[in-house]
Amino acid sequence: AQSVTQLDSHVSVSEGTPVLLRCNYSSSYSPSLFWYVQHPNKGLQLLLKYTSAATLVKGINGFEAEFKKSETSFHLTKPSAHMSDAAEYFCVEGGSARQLTFGSGTQLTVLP
Amino acid sequence: DAMVIQNPRYQVTQFGKPVTLSCSQTLNHNVMYWYQQKSSQAPKLLFHYYDKDFNNEADTPDNFQSRRPNTSFCFLDIRSPGLGDAAMYLCATTKTGASYEQFFGPGTRLTVL
Repeated sequence: AQSVTQLDSHVSVSEGTPVLLRCNYSSSYSPSLFWYVQHPNKGLQLLLKYTSAATLVKGINGFEAEFKKSETSFHLTKPSAHMSDAAEYFCVEGGSARQLTFGSGTQLTVLP
Repeated sequence: DAMVIQNPRYQVTQFGKPVTLSCSQTLNHNVMYWYQQKSSQAPKLLFHYYDKDFNNEADTPDNFQSRRPNTSFCFLDIRSPGLGDAAMYLCATTKTGASYEQFFGPGTRLTVL
């Protein structure tokens, strides 16, 4: 069975400093991987996706993620955090319409 | 803009009183999902429609049912809500193809009194 591990349940950074949210997946084949963001009382918004093209994926709002097959990782980064980045982030693996696996989520806090 | 719409955004019901949540989409996607999300947790899949084919997750309570009368609309019926059913309910859609990226609605926050 697929599993997605988000290594940190909470991450706290200061505004203007880099963000790193870590994610490991379990699939042995080349997966589809996504990062979604969820602000309070909102739905999930897609930040970026990996679908076996370029390993460095650029998303919205300055976020990017690098797919590393050797490490089975898909970590999310941003060079400089903004207050509006404070939210819950989910790493998701999708292999078919019938099998989507969510990580447990990482709550990002941005300190002024 | 093409989108996923959920109504109402906030729903308050009483213990045991049936409630229906609705979802509509203008994306013409063939797959629709219902998720339940409790506070500080990841969304949990309740069921999904692959075209007209209904797929129930094994641990979805019998209290929860769904209808999809056409491609655009999907409903979640909770027959006898309990206090434990208070949650955010998310509808999502996708199109079978390469990446299976899901498009989410804004959610309905259900309160059970």
